Amino acid sequence: DAGVTQSPTHLIKTRGQHVTLRCSPISGHKSVSWYQQVLGQGPQFIFQYYEKEERGRGNFPDRFSARQFPNYSSELNVNALLLGDSALYLCASSYTGTEDTEAFFGQGTRLTVV
Amino acid sequence: GQQLNQSPQSMFIQEGEDVSMNCTSSSIFNTWLWYKQEPGEGPVLLIALYKAGELTSNGRLTAQFGITRKDSFLNISASIPSDVGIYFCAGRDFQGAQKLVFGQGTRLTINP
Repeated sequence: DAGVTQSPTHLIKTRGQHVTLRCSPISGHKSVSWYQQVLGQGPQFIFQYYEKEERGRGNFPDRFSARQFPNYSSELNVNALLLGDSALYLCASSYTGTEDTEAFFGQGTRLTVV
Repeated sequence: GQQLNQSPQSMFIQEGEDVSMNCTSSSIFNTWLWYKQEPGEGPVLLIALYKAGELTSNGRLTAQFGITRKDSFLNISASIPSDVGIYFCAGRDFQGAQKLVFGQGTRLTINP
């Protein structure tokens, strides 16, 4: 079975632009979470979605938004990009998104804002 | 953002040596997890701990969930070159969302 897949793998954007990152969860998994990992740090929680509804949101500005589709894939959108948004964006999928199921990460999308 | 205090930040060891790293938090977590991340990849789950005091092994890896639920450690015995990478601890506090709080990571380098 395929693992969590993210696209694109690398992306370069200019300040002020917007970006859309995509994630396909493991087959059968219904929950997707997004994390931002700045170089040299651990990942920071951005969003969790389960059955197309937002379950949780981290301490990120409203420029960050996400959604989950009926096939459980997800998009992360970031508007008005800042240099500080440069990071590895990780998607994690889990079966139900509850505390008794583990999350599995994709390889990430490396976003560079110039 | 909220992070766990993970130490040491980096380790340089000889192949065959044992490794120990730990993680502390000011908050209680219901689950502790240990991940390994290699360049260009996402974190890979190594060990999950669900009960205070729990000691769990996965091959040469052993991890424990602290009694206070505010700390955890990971030990790697007889290190080999493929153990190189960055190790992250993560705490999970399920409050309606499966949010993981990560440490800063321990970078492990092994001299053959």
